[in-house]
Amino acid sequence: EIVLTQSPATLSLSPGERATLSCRASQSASNYLAWYQQKPGQAPRLLIYEASNRATGIPARFSGSGSGTDFTLTISSLEPEDFAVYYCQQRSNWPPTFGQGTKVEVK
Amino acid sequence: EVQLVQSGAEVKKPGESLKISCKGSGYNFTNYWIGWVRQMPGKGPECMGIIYPGDSETRYTPSFQGQVTISADKSISTAYLQWSSLKASDTAMYYCARRSRLTGMDVWGQGTTVTVSS
Repeated sequence: EIVLTQSPATLSLSPGERATLSCRASQSASNYLAWYQQKPGQAPRLLIYEASNRATGIPARFSGSGSGTDFTLTISSLEPEDFAVYYCQQRSNWPPTFGQGTKVEVK
Repeated sequence: EVQLVQSGAEVKKPGESLKISCKGSGYNFTNYWIGWVRQMPGKGPECMGIIYPGDSETRYTPSFQGQVTISADKSISTAYLQWSSLKASDTAMYYCARRSRLTGMDVWGQGTTVTVSS
């Protein structure tokens, strides 16, 4: 199965700052890479699909890039509601797998 | 509104059986795969398996094959996840999610907490 490694584990930033999250795949995931946001007590929410496409209703400050084995989620200017855990997920190969998550916390 | 509504929290003893549910509404339930996802406390999500309610085709992640059974009743737009003999290690939050061909898991249920303790 494809193993996804996210870095860093924790990102400490202030509102208004730029966040850059990384996801590396153990083998090519093509562009079948999604990003999810999860807040405490809530289900994951789809942000980005196929590496770079924003899901319905997702603000433009969220963007995704990459293909193959290296992917990036960028939040251009952090809003208070963006502090959460972010997961990448691949569906290129069965089974679909998730990374271990990056927590974006208030500095 | 497209939504998935899951059954309520469960507290069970080791060795007991359990079946939890996920009811879809606001879309054609038979046209989308439904996935079941486990999330253990403080850990990332894990896909357990998926089912296509239109014909009940099912795929399991190897580590969950034989440990759980995924099924669906398209007549009532409901998918199920069941265990025949629970273990303490099954304690987790379980989510169902709609799997769109284009976007992946785009709609999620609210989650069902399963606690297995003697």
